[in-house]
Amino acid sequence: DTAVSQTPKYLVTQMGNDKSIKCEQNLGHDTMYWYKQDSKKFLKIMFSYNNKELIINETVPNRFSPKSPDKAHLNLHINSLELGDSAVYFCASSRTLGQGGQPQHFGDGTRLSIL
Amino acid sequence: AQTVTQSQPEMSVQEAETVTLSCTYDTSESNYYLFWYKQPPSRQMILVIRQEAYKQQNATENRFSVNFQKAAKSFSLKISDSQLGDTAMYFCAFVRQGGSEKLVFGKGTKLTVNP
Repeated sequence: DTAVSQTPKYLVTQMGNDKSIKCEQNLGHDTMYWYKQDSKKFLKIMFSYNNKELIINETVPNRFSPKSPDKAHLNLHINSLELGDSAVYFCASSRTLGQGGQPQHFGDGTRLSIL
Repeated sequence: AQTVTQSQPEMSVQEAETVTLSCTYDTSESNYYLFWYKQPPSRQMILVIRQEAYKQQNATENRFSVNFQKAAKSFSLKISDSQLGDTAMYFCAFVRQGGSEKLVFGKGTKLTVNP
């Protein structure tokens, strides 16, 4: 069974559209994250939720809106897509906050391409 | 703010040989954790090794070991008996103890293992 699964794996769309990426983890973890990997492979945190509560919002444009319906799911909705949003988006999860450097388990990533 | 620097954008090694990837970081924190993640061409992010800063003993996982020098803020990864499957991007990452647990990544080193 896949521990952290993201859908879709690939997303090709036009500039200006709205799209969502879904993430689910079956590890029983409390904390989930979204990271963005740009064309130069640099990875940067975007958001983090702990037990459905927003913990990190890392100066991301407000066109990006995360939603966590429960602690096993963290979705990412993006409005009015721009060329610069083209990237690979990774979801990750870890056991919980405050227990010190818990390893983060990553999904396989969603490659978003804006035409 | 913490920063992580990987000074080798690309490296190559012959199969069965040993290679060391460099990582330095900057932080004013005294308690933190360091990680090496591997990203093969399949795009997955795979945890290779984890080091707790308060432990002087270097972490080891099979053919992978680290040289952690806390005073020098250095955290290099040694891969022994390199295998073709070790070909990947390797990312060094930092997380401070407590708080949001966000990973701060270096820019990565692309390692190629040659037959």
